[in-house]
Amino acid sequence: GENVGLHLPTLSVQEGDNSIINCAYSNSASDYFIWYKQESGKGPQFIIDIRSNMDKRQGQRVTVLLNKTVKHLSLQIAATQPGDSAVYFCAEKLNAGNMLTFGGGTRLMVKP
Amino acid sequence: NAGVMQNPRHLVRRRGQEARLRCSPMKGHSHVYWYRQLPEEGLKFMVYLQKENIIDESGMPKERFSAEFPKEGPSILRIQQVVRGDSAAYFCASPRDPGGNTIYFGEGSWLTVV
Repeated sequence: GENVGLHLPTLSVQEGDNSIINCAYSNSASDYFIWYKQESGKGPQFIIDIRSNMDKRQGQRVTVLLNKTVKHLSLQIAATQPGDSAVYFCAEKLNAGNMLTFGGGTRLMVKP
Repeated sequence: NAGVMQNPRHLVRRRGQEARLRCSPMKGHSHVYWYRQLPEEGLKFMVYLQKENIIDESGMPKERFSAEFPKEGPSILRIQQVVRGDSAAYFCASPRDPGGNTIYFGEGSWLTVV
């Protein structure tokens, strides 16, 4: 079964607003997490990652938050732009494992 | 795609034919992952290979699917006697650093079985 899941299948936001995409995971042994962005007809594009010994990490316009207590991961996108429209996947990895386990994805739609 | 090259990008096969998908990882790297993505779904792990060695094939279907990564040349995912349910996008990925956690994906090969 899946270890990673998402709360919302589709998120619609206004251009310029902030977006928050959520992800729940069930395997407390996971110690590494990645967010990917996938545009139609393309491969997943790495956005940002975080290790389990951190609770927050910031990139350019993106922030990932990790709450290990409730096994929750979120991706925050500041000042959302039309180019941010895509499907976003979270993925988890076990320290001793070799594979990433993906969630089902959230579609982000940015309204101009 | 950070240098992960896949071909063909699109492949059409009739039921019963064979499909071969190729992947070259980032230059100098010797590990590849293969993932499958059905329409409107997430990516599912299939197999993890090192050159001349299969490290983890726990996600591979028991029949008709095989993967290899020879000493020379690209990694190949082979699907024999394709069925309509094999229609999907197949992605290859490579760690950014040897043995690293950060994994970069290629642009995928879209297989359509008619």
